[in-house]
Amino acid sequence: SQQGEEDPQALSIQEGENATMNCSYKTSINNLQWYRQNSGRGLVHLILIRSNEREKHSGRLRVTLDTSKKSSSLLITASRAADTASYFCATGPAGNFNKFYFGSGTKLNVKP
Amino acid sequence: EADIYQTPRYLVIGTGKKITLECSQTMGHDKMYWYQQDPGMELHLIHYSYGVNSTEKGDLSSESTVSRIRTEHFPLTLESARPSHTSQYLCASSAQGEGRPDTQYFGPGTRLTVL
Repeated sequence: SQQGEEDPQALSIQEGENATMNCSYKTSINNLQWYRQNSGRGLVHLILIRSNEREKHSGRLRVTLDTSKKSSSLLITASRAADTASYFCATGPAGNFNKFYFGSGTKLNVKP
Repeated sequence: EADIYQTPRYLVIGTGKKITLECSQTMGHDKMYWYQQDPGMELHLIHYSYGVNSTEKGDLSSESTVSRIRTEHFPLTLESARPSHTSQYLCASSAQGEGRPDTQYFGPGTRLTVL
């Protein structure tokens, strides 16, 4: 399977702490994206990083990509209770712009 | 907020019924997708389309069918629902090369329960 795998499966932290989630994948990609899903809802796009990029920032989000290790990490700094959600990585396989492969997600709980 | 809509949001039906899950987007996106997601689990691609009159099956085998007669509309149909079809169905669209290329915009989902 080309699907990404997130690690850890669940993460519980206090408000104000940083949260780090990791994603590993198996095949060559042209981009990797992170999405957030609040309980029982649709997914919301957070950030996209292309295969030729190593790091990207958006507000309190920082994403890194290591194509040699086929892995990515998402860092949420100064977490808030509103960040409580599931976070998924999605990979766009190289040579195919029509498909995305989602991992099983990391469930983040930020305690106030 | 993405302009992509799904109806119904919740559906409880009996075994053997025919159902259609609706998905519409007003962004003019060429690509549309259907995913199936069990609670707390990963998303599985079951159908996708890259334009009118083009549809493809995804990686997860599904007994559902789709059609794409209009750009904005991508309905999913189950001819005879079974309890194994109980799941959440998420519709998404994307427009490569415009704005945020390769980004998928998701609808709120339809939670289907088959008794």
